[in-house]
Amino acid sequence: DAKTTQPTSMDCAEGRAANLPCNHSTISGNEYVYWYRQIHSQGPQYIIHGLKNNETNEMASLIITEDRKSSTLILPHATLRDTAVYYCIVRAKYNNNDMRFGAGTRLTVKP
Amino acid sequence: KAGVTQTPRYLIKTRGQQVTLSCSPISGHRSVSWYQQTPGQGLQFLFEYFSETQRNKGNFPGRFSGRQFSNSRSEMNVSTLELGDSALYLCASSLAGTGVSGANVLTFGAGSRLTVL
Repeated sequence: DAKTTQPTSMDCAEGRAANLPCNHSTISGNEYVYWYRQIHSQGPQYIIHGLKNNETNEMASLIITEDRKSSTLILPHATLRDTAVYYCIVRAKYNNNDMRFGAGTRLTVKP
Repeated sequence: KAGVTQTPRYLIKTRGQQVTLSCSPISGHRSVSWYQQTPGQGLQFLFEYFSETQRNKGNFPGRFSGRQFSNSRSEMNVSTLELGDSALYLCASSLAGTGVSGANVLTFGAGSRLTVL
């Protein structure tokens, strides 16, 4: 199963871009990269996902390297409400709902 | 549209009791997955149901069981509760289940926080 590596914690100034890296060097060709975040005591919230191309939605952008071994989630203008644990997940098997959540990155946005 | 609804949000039980948690998925979603979240183990997959059939199961003892009804609502049951079962239990629904091509976005509920005394 593909695994991901993320920094344990990061800080970001309010209003600045938050760039959260993720390594997934053993990703398979048909596996997607998903990003979720979890604010304390709430369920994980879906942010974005991608296969090989860069993706953007109203919440964030996802940059995936050409070799697909790593990706970066970008929150373009971080706010205090973006303080959360961010999970980078590579789907374990072919469209399997057994999504392997690691420890994630605890992002703290500071005023 | 309404999100994933889990009930109850909070509950307290004692060791040896059993508990049933309920999950109503997003309308039209046929797949429901359950996860357990604890500070020590993080988020762990329990099982997935699709069209009333268990499609996938995580590495949990048989005390943990679930079912899905014809309207896609799901319940999970934990029997003979142990202190270590104290956790946030999360339900997630999706359009597709295991084996369908393409991306599959899970939408999570707010969770049911179980405390076992």
